[in-house]
Amino acid sequence: KAGVTQTPRYLIKTRGQQVTLSCSPISGHRSVSWYQQTPGQGLQFLFEYFSETQRNKGNFPGRFSGRQFSNSRSEMNVSTLELGDSALYLCASSLEASGWDYEQYFGPGTRLTVT
Amino acid sequence: QKEVEQNSGPLSVPEGAIASLNCTYSDRGSQSFFWYRQYSGKSPELIMSIYSNGDKEDGRFTAQLNKASQYVSLLIRDSQPSDSATYLCAGRVTGGGNKLTFGTGTQLKVEL
Repeated sequence: KAGVTQTPRYLIKTRGQQVTLSCSPISGHRSVSWYQQTPGQGLQFLFEYFSETQRNKGNFPGRFSGRQFSNSRSEMNVSTLELGDSALYLCASSLEASGWDYEQYFGPGTRLTVT
Repeated sequence: QKEVEQNSGPLSVPEGAIASLNCTYSDRGSQSFFWYRQYSGKSPELIMSIYSNGDKEDGRFTAQLNKASQYVSLLIRDSQPSDSATYLCAGRVTGGGNKLTFGTGTQLKVEL
């Protein structure tokens, strides 16, 4: 099975711009979660989508948003970029949204640099 | 207090030794725990999951969970230089969907 894929892998944007990142989960996986990883804060949960619905949301400002399509692919959008948004954005997919024995598998990530 | 805490290291062990990585958590609602390995510049890779008290073994890796004491550990036997990476501990609260709360990671260095 192919793993989680994310596009683009690298992105350079300017403050004030917006960006859209894409994630395709492992075939058959219906849950997609997004995380932000920075050297200072580590890995932090952004949000989770299951069956095109946001199931969980982390403590990030409203500039961060996402959506999921009927084929389980997901996108996240960051508007009005700030320098502090520079990070590795990771997508993880899981077979099922709830249930205590489902594992998450990460994609390669998108490295976003805001200048 | 962070919800999931790990010693940042680095933890240095000689090749062939046992590496012991520890993690504590504060939320008693956390029921599922995961260990991920992350090489520099790469994304996290799932190594082990553990849901019940006790030990779970998979090859050279053993995960241990003690819910009463709220700690999780990962033992790596016969450590190899290729095991040198950052190890991330993550917990998931029952009913919390797939939200994982991560520790800051422990850097492991296996020396020749």
